Amino acid sequence: KAGVTQTPRYLIKTRGQQVTLSCSPISGHRSVSWYQQTPGQGLQFLFEYFSETQRNKGNFPGRFSGRQFSNSRSEMNVSTLELGDSALYLCASSLRTGEKGYTFGSGTRLTVV
Amino acid sequence: KQEVTQIPAALSVPEGENLVLNCSFTDSAIYNLQWFRQDPGKGLTSLLLIQSSQREQTSGRLNASLDKSSGRSTLYIAASQPGDSATYLCAVSARFGAGTRLTVKP
Repeated sequence: KAGVTQTPRYLIKTRGQQVTLSCSPISGHRSVSWYQQTPGQGLQFLFEYFSETQRNKGNFPGRFSGRQFSNSRSEMNVSTLELGDSALYLCASSLRTGEKGYTFGSGTRLTVV
Repeated sequence: KQEVTQIPAALSVPEGENLVLNCSFTDSAIYNLQWFRQDPGKGLTSLLLIQSSQREQTSGRLNASLDKSSGRSTLYIAASQPGDSATYLCAVSARFGAGTRLTVKP
């Protein structure tokens, strides 16, 4: 059974650019959550999607957005990148909103220069 | 809004010791509580999942307990090994604590 797949694994972008990260959940899982992890702030919740609808949202600016497709795959977009957006972005999938727990992908390491 | 706190922030113990990591949360209306391990630069590996109707879960040398009424969970690691060195994170309702960085010295 395939795990949670995040692409790309590494990304380098320039300030002001935008970026799109992808997450494919475990087959059968319909909920996808996104997190930002930095050394100073730890794991911060970005948002959670279930059945193509955003169910929960953390305290991040509107530059951070996401969506979920009918096959449960999710994308996260960050526009007008800032140096402080450099982080490990983690995606987690679950059956539905945390039911049976979360399984994490390996993450996308974003560096903004 | 769920707030999750983990104590201690860091812990260093000699190999073979038994240890306890603590997690507290503010909202007792939870589906479940999950403990994860994270190695530097890597993703999170699930260790134990406790459903809200359960009191504890065990896996090998790990035992996690849940007390919803007091908003607390503990992760007990028996006979610690250097390979247990990692950051341990507690998750409640998709919210994480800051983690406990564990170092087990040979």
